[in-house]
Amino acid sequence: EAGVAQSPRYKIIEKRQSVAFWCNPISGHATLYWYQQILGQGPKLLIQFQNNGVVDDSQLPKDRFSAERLKGVDSTLKIQPAKLEDSAVYLCASSFTDYTEAFFGQGTRLTVV
Amino acid sequence: QKEVEQNSGPLSVPEGAIASLNCTYSDRGSQSFFWYRQYSGKSPELIMSIYSNGDKEDGRFTAQLNKASQYVSLLIRDSQPSDSATYLCAGGVRGQNFVFGPGTRLSVLP
Repeated sequence: EAGVAQSPRYKIIEKRQSVAFWCNPISGHATLYWYQQILGQGPKLLIQFQNNGVVDDSQLPKDRFSAERLKGVDSTLKIQPAKLEDSAVYLCASSFTDYTEAFFGQGTRLTVV
Repeated sequence: QKEVEQNSGPLSVPEGAIASLNCTYSDRGSQSFFWYRQYSGKSPELIMSIYSNGDKEDGRFTAQLNKASQYVSLLIRDSQPSDSATYLCAGGVRGQNFVFGPGTRLSVLP
């Protein structure tokens, strides 16, 4: 069974530039999560989708971050404009339902300079 | 705001010993609990899931859940240096988000 796919693996951008991350969940998984993980901390939920609807985006900085999940499958997370404090690993995860095991992709390491 | 708390560690144990990792959570409605292992520079990897009170064993790993005390633990028997990693506890509630604790760093000393 194919796992969660994410791209790119690494990205370096200058502050105030924009960046986008892509995620393809495990086939059949209705729930998709985007997490931000800063070095030394646990993953922080940015947004949770159930199919193509948003369940929770309370911690998403909506003035600069946006996310969508078209057709309830793939998802993109965008940052515009980026700030230095956005440097982190962005993890995508998916699960069959919203309270069952979530499986993670390899993550995207973003460095904002 | 739901919270999951863990000791940040580091927790050091000698090779072959039992490592005990603990987690408490604030939301009494939490229905499912998970332990993930995360090696440095890697993404979290699921080790155990537990949904009911009591113990669940899988190889060298045992998860214990006590919903009345809002407490979940992970025991690692016969700890190996390869078990050295950060262990993340997470709780889930149907219809709501999936919250992670800050993680406990485990170091198994040869």
